[in-house]
Amino acid sequence: DTGVSQNPRHKITKRGQNVTFRCDPISEHNRLYWYRQTLGQGPEFLTYFQNEAQLEKSRLLSDRFSAERPKGSFSTLEIQRTEQGDSAMYLCASSGATGLRGSYNEQFFGPGTRLTVL
Amino acid sequence: DQQVKQNSPSLSVQEGRISILNCDYTNSMFDYFLWYKKYPAEGPTFLISISSIKDKNEDGRFTVFLNKSAKHLSLHIVPSQPGDSAVYFCAADTGTASKLTFGTGTRLQVTL
Repeated sequence: DTGVSQNPRHKITKRGQNVTFRCDPISEHNRLYWYRQTLGQGPEFLTYFQNEAQLEKSRLLSDRFSAERPKGSFSTLEIQRTEQGDSAMYLCASSGATGLRGSYNEQFFGPGTRLTVL
Repeated sequence: DQQVKQNSPSLSVQEGRISILNCDYTNSMFDYFLWYKKYPAEGPTFLISISSIKDKNEDGRFTVFLNKSAKHLSLHIVPSQPGDSAVYFCAADTGTASKLTFGTGTRLQVTL
């Protein structure tokens, strides 16, 4: 174990293509979060899940973005018809009240997926 | 609307001295605060947190102070070490543990 893992680490795509990212949270955590970070900014919240339920979505999450967590374990974030403005680091985090890794308030981040849209 | 502000984009401190990173917030609903450290090409790493019922929390070389009336918190690192060189983000939560609101970060450089 391990921490939060994300794949791929880097993705280069052409404008208009669809991309999908995967996040595997810390195994005992039941909350999973997606954030986006652009240059010079802090991470911005996109959405979060408790188990398989998506409980909140940011207004940043346009209808081209969809996230799933079908079995309450890993999650995917899909961006359809990518635009150059989607270029960013996409970060996944998890939290939970069980085990050794803190409380729900303390989110643990993965290494991120850097997306470049040409 | 930047609800969490880190007004110093960068800070340079000599090794062994104290580093003080500052953060201000505007949303009075925030009641849990966290500091993260980020190296290039890595995700943020959790450092230390504080609940609004406290005004200080200490963990080794790291201490966070919270002044609720001023809506201000600070992270003290003492003594500073070269490995502390990174970008530090302040983050806040309304207590629902649903999402974190981050500041824009302060780049700390610890020089020899």
